[in-house]
Amino acid sequence: GQQLNQSPQSMFIQEGEDVSMNCTSSSIFNTWLWYKQDPGEGPVLLIALYKAGELTSNGRLTAQFGTTRKDSFLNISASIPSDVGIYFCAGRPDRGSTLGRLYFGRGTQLTVWP
Amino acid sequence: KAGVTQTPRYLIKTRGQQVTLSCSPISGHRSVSWYQQTPGQGLQFLFEYFSETQRNKGNFPGRFSGRQFSNSRSEMNVSTLELGDSALYLCASSTGGDYGYTFGSGTRLTVV
Repeated sequence: GQQLNQSPQSMFIQEGEDVSMNCTSSSIFNTWLWYKQDPGEGPVLLIALYKAGELTSNGRLTAQFGTTRKDSFLNISASIPSDVGIYFCAGRPDRGSTLGRLYFGRGTQLTVWP
Repeated sequence: KAGVTQTPRYLIKTRGQQVTLSCSPISGHRSVSWYQQTPGQGLQFLFEYFSETQRNKGNFPGRFSGRQFSNSRSEMNVSTLELGDSALYLCASSTGGDYGYTFGSGTRLTVV
C-alpha cells in the first residue's frame, strides 16, 4: 500500500519561530489533509487540499498540494505555545479499492519553548 | 452541530474477550471510517462504511469487524482480544464526498 513519509519526526522551536514540515508519497493522491492531535484526543482537521498546486491558509497555517500530487507541505508562522502537538499529513487516493481511505504519515511532534 | 461521538472513552478488557465500540457520526454524514492508532504502527485504516455498506477494508484479521446502521451510527467489534490490540480506536465521519474527515476523541482500549 501507499507509504507516506513525513518529516521531520520532531521539532523543538522557540516561540515566535516559523515551522515547516512536509510529507511525500510514492503514489499520487487526489486529496491532501493536515491534522493536529493533542494528547488523549482525536486528530483535528487543519487544512484540506484538493487540487495540485493549491495553496491554502488557515490563520497562521499555510499548506500546499505539491504539483506532482505526491507531496504536501505545512508551514506555521510565528509559533505560539498552543501550537504544541502532533501534526499528521494524510492522503486520499480515491481510486478503486482505496475509495474513502486515508493514508497517514507518522506525525511531526512539535514542541514550542516560551 | 455536535461532533463525532465515540463511546466508551476508556475500556479495559482481558485477553480472549470481545469488545464492541460505538461511533455516532455528525448529523447528515453517511460515511464512517475506523482507524487504529498505536505508537508502533501509527494510524492504520480498519474499514469504511457508507450507507450501511462496507466500502473498503484495511489489512486487519477477521477478528476485527464492523457494521453501520440506518441512522449512520457505526459499531466495530473485536473478538478474541490479544495484547497487541491495545490501542486508541478512532472513528471519523464524512459526507462521503470529497471532504476532510472529522474524527472523534477515540476509545482507548487496554487489553490485559
